[in-house]
Parts: sequence; C-alpha cells; structure tokens
Amino acid sequence: AQSVTQLGSHVSVSEGALVLLRCNYSSSVPPYLFWYVQYPNQGLQLLLKYTSAATLVKGINGFEAEFKKSETSFHLTKPSAHMSDAAEYFCAVSEGTGNQFYFGTGTSLTVIP
Amino acid sequence: NAGVTQTPKFQVLKTGQSMTLQCAQDMNHEYMSWYRQDPGMGLRLIHYSVGAGITDQGEVPNGYNVSRSTTEDFPLRLLSAAPSQTSVYFCASSYVGGPNEQFFGPGTRLTVL
Repeated sequence: AQSVTQLGSHVSVSEGALVLLRCNYSSSVPPYLFWYVQYPNQGLQLLLKYTSAATLVKGINGFEAEFKKSETSFHLTKPSAHMSDAAEYFCAVSEGTGNQFYFGTGTSLTVIP
Repeated sequence: NAGVTQTPKFQVLKTGQSMTLQCAQDMNHEYMSWYRQDPGMGLRLIHYSVGAGITDQGEVPNGYNVSRSTTEDFPLRLLSAAPSQTSVYFCASSYVGGPNEQFFGPGTRLTVL
C-alpha cells in the first residue's frame, strides 16, 4: 500500500527566507511523486513531478524537490519565499499505471512580511 | 480549452436530499476521478474511471455513485445526503498510464444541513 506523510500541517517563514516542506512516502515499487499547490478557493495546480529521470526536479515559481530513495523523501524547497507563495501544498504518490494518486494531508504555508 | 469544469460551485442540501455534481473535461483524457477534501485529511479518492463505461471505487465510495457514459463527462451522485458529506469536491482528469499529471477542476463546496 502507498501512503504519503507531510510533516508539519502549518509552516511559517519570513519573506525572503528558505522554504522547506517535507514529504515522505511509502511504496512497494518505484513511485511517481508530485507536488501540487492550492491557492484559496481554487483547485490544485501542479508544481513539479518526479518520474525517475532526474533526482532533482525543478518546477514552476522557483520551487524544486529532490527525490531521495534511501530516505523515501521528496521534500519541496524554494530559496527565497515570496508573499505570493502563501498557499496549501500537497505531496502525492502514484505507482503502476500512475493514475491513482495518494495525497498527503497538506501543509499550509504562511509568508510573513 | 476550458480544461476541467465543475458545476455547481456551491450547494446547500438538506439531509436525505439527492443531487448530482457535474464534471466535464475537454482534453480527451481517459482517466477521471472524484476526490473530497476535508480539513486535515488531504484529498481522498471517492471513485474513478479509466474510460467510458468503466468505473471503480476509491478510498471513500460509500454514499456516492458514478457513471461514465462519455469520455468528457463524469458526474458524481449523492444518493441521500448526510452531514458527513459536507466537504469540497474536486474532479480531476489525466491520460491513462503514468506518470501523468492530473488536472483539477475548481471544486464544488457542498454543505449538508
């Protein structure tokens, strides 16, 4: 069975500071991993995805994530937070055909001016 | 392309009423799915479909029905609404086979009194 754990349901950072959102997964086969962002009252938008091509994945809006198999992790980072990054972030895993997603419980990011 | 569209955006029901949440996509995606989003629980899969005439249950299917008569449409039916079904519902679609990004609709906010 697959599962995703996001440590920290709420994260606050100062504007300009490093953003680090944690995601750990469990999967019996090599997974596909995704990060999605949800702005208030909107649907989910893909930030980036890991598909086994490269362990460091770059996404939109300056975000990136590194796949670490030994740690079963796929943490999301951004060097310098911007006010517009305030949102809910979801990590998701899929395997096999890649269509059925399992989502983490989400991390709400607050950016303090 | 309109992408994934959902109607209505908001709905209030009384306990025991039935209704259908509509979802449509214009990207010719074979895979479509319904999720519910509840605070602190992330997104949980209700039902999914890998093509017209094919549907299957997800993690939380009880109290919901689906059908897929066309590639474009994937309605979700609440048979007899209960307060526990108060939630935000998202429809998503993608191509079959991984690792394909799921595209999300804007959501339907449902309140059951």
